[in-house]
Amino acid sequence: AQSVTQPDIHITVSEGASLELRCNYSYGATPYLFWYVQSPGQGLQLLLKYFSGDTLVQGIKGFEAEFKRSQSSFNLRKPSVHWSDAAEYFCAVGARVTGGGNKLTFGTGTQLKVEL
Amino acid sequence: DSGVTQTPKHLITATGQRVTLRCSPRSGDLSVYWYQQSLDQGLQFLIQYYNGEERAKGNILERFSAQQFPDLHSELNLSSLELGDSALYFCASSPRADGGASGEKTQYFGPGTRLLVL
Repeated sequence: AQSVTQPDIHITVSEGASLELRCNYSYGATPYLFWYVQSPGQGLQLLLKYFSGDTLVQGIKGFEAEFKRSQSSFNLRKPSVHWSDAAEYFCAVGARVTGGGNKLTFGTGTQLKVEL
Repeated sequence: DSGVTQTPKHLITATGQRVTLRCSPRSGDLSVYWYQQSLDQGLQFLIQYYNGEERAKGNILERFSAQQFPDLHSELNLSSLELGDSALYFCASSPRADGGASGEKTQYFGPGTRLLVL
């Protein structure tokens, strides 16, 4: 069964500083991976996704993530954080399931606080 | 705006009651997924429907059921509610059932329905 680990529950960075949120996954086949962001009281917004090909993927709001198969990681990065980036970030792995369906398995999330 | 709509936005009810949550997928999407987000369990997959048929089942309680109608909207029915069912319920949609080609694997989420059981 697939699983996702986000080892950092809370991270605080200063506005303008760089950011890296860690994500490790466990999945037997080639994974497809996502990062979603959830602002307070809001739904889940897709930041970026990886299916195959180039291991460095670009997303919205200046975010990027790098897929490293050897480390089973898909870390999210941003070179300069803005105060509006404060939110909770979720990494997810997608997998096919018996019966012809598919599902996402999420990590526990990382709460990002931005200090002005 | 993802294009996925969910109603109601908030729901307050009492233990033992039954509620129905509604979801309309993005235009053209045939798959609908339901997820539960709670403080103790995090984000958990409940169930997937594709073009009216159940395709995948996760950690969904027997008191919960779902269906997808011919117009592709879906409803999640929660019965005999308990305090622990209080959570944020998300619906998501995607074009296909199994993920298919890379561009069709993405699930787009609605704003959620916040359920409070008192």
